[in-house]
Amino acid sequence: GQNIDQPTEMTATEGAIVQINCTYQTSGFNGLFWYQQHAGEAPTFLSYNVLDGLEEKGRFSSFLSRSKGYSYLLLKELQMKDSASYLCAVEDSNYQLIWGAGTKLIIKP
Amino acid sequence: IAGITQAPTSQILAAGRRMTLRCTQDMRHNAMYWYRQDLGLGLRLIHYSNTAGTTGKGEVPDGYSVSRANTDDFPLTLASAVPSQTSVYFCASSVSSGGNEQFFGPGTRLTVL
Repeated sequence: GQNIDQPTEMTATEGAIVQINCTYQTSGFNGLFWYQQHAGEAPTFLSYNVLDGLEEKGRFSSFLSRSKGYSYLLLKELQMKDSASYLCAVEDSNYQLIWGAGTKLIIKP
Repeated sequence: IAGITQAPTSQILAAGRRMTLRCTQDMRHNAMYWYRQDLGLGLRLIHYSNTAGTTGKGEVPDGYSVSRANTDDFPLTLASAVPSQTSVYFCASSVSSGGNEQFFGPGTRLTVL
């Protein structure tokens, strides 16, 4: 079967760093996406990893290890506006996205 | 318009009624998708279209149908709504299928009573 696992909820402090993990088991792998979704809004794209390693984009970085079926999203210098759900999605062998249930990140002052 | 739009924003529907959710994009994207999002579950793909004139079934297609007569529009139809179809529905598009960012519409919140 296909499975994407993420923690349901995490809490962090404004200004700190948080790492959101994602593990996956899918029928094939063509890439891994991270999206941000604020409550009541649509998901918006954050990052895409297809090769192993770290991709850095401003305060956000995403890491991928294909051999371990593992990715993480690293958020630095947390701001209150980063309070949102973070969705991990794997592109399978049919180029369809399989989505995790999302991690709700709560930022406290 | 710019981007991808959906209509209606929300709808309450009696069970057994027919309903079409509309989705339009002006980015000339080839690929379009319909997802449903339920509390505690990830987005689940209902149907997709890799290019105008073609459609395919996703993970949860039963009870839904789509058409792709042109590049811009991708309506989703519930032939006879049931309460289990109560959900938030998102339409998305991408330049093409495979390795491309998907852009999402604002969603339609559907309640079937």
